[in-house]
Amino acid sequence: EAGVTQSPTHLIKTRGQQATLRCSPISGHTSVYWYQQALGLGLQFLLWYDEGEERNRGNFPPRFSGRQFPNYSSELNVNALELEDSALYLCASRTGQGVFEQYFGPGTRLTVT
Amino acid sequence: EDQVTQSPEALRLQEGESSSLNCSYTVSGLRGLFWYRQDPGKGPEFLFTLYSAGEEKEKERLKATLTKKESFLHITAPKPEDSATYLCAVQSLSGGYNKLIFGAGTRLAVHP
Repeated sequence: EAGVTQSPTHLIKTRGQQATLRCSPISGHTSVYWYQQALGLGLQFLLWYDEGEERNRGNFPPRFSGRQFPNYSSELNVNALELEDSALYLCASRTGQGVFEQYFGPGTRLTVT
Repeated sequence: EDQVTQSPEALRLQEGESSSLNCSYTVSGLRGLFWYRQDPGKGPEFLFTLYSAGEEKEKERLKATLTKKESFLHITAPKPEDSATYLCAVQSLSGGYNKLIFGAGTRLAVHP
């Protein structure tokens, strides 16, 4: 069974630009979560999508946004990039059937210069 | 506020030297406690879910236990390939099927 996939693996952007990160969940999983892992910091919850809707977001500014497509894949957009946005962005998926474990993808390393 | 604290921050072991990692938590009703392993630059790999005090789970050299305030990840006779950061996370009843709250992790280094 294929795991969670993310693209691109690495992304280098300049301050002020926009970044788009993509995630494909495990087949059959309907919930997608996004987390930020900055160097030296723990995983911080960003966004949760389920059945195409944004269900909750963490303590991040509105320039972090995203969406979930009908096939349950998801996109994270970060506008007006700042240097401190440099981090590993992780996507996780979960089945909506009462199981709580989240399975993570390999991440996208975003570097803002 | 829900909170997870892991200790120690870093642990160095000799191959075969057993030890335990600690995860203490404060949540408004525990829905589940999760252990993950993360290798540098990669996504966390799911290891265990524990739901209630007294529960134990095992996988190869790893054994996770849970009390009402903390969880332990016991590593028996570790090998160099067990070197990684081990993350603990909780999901509270108030959060629904929502976010996981992660600890900062324990960096484990096992030397031959």
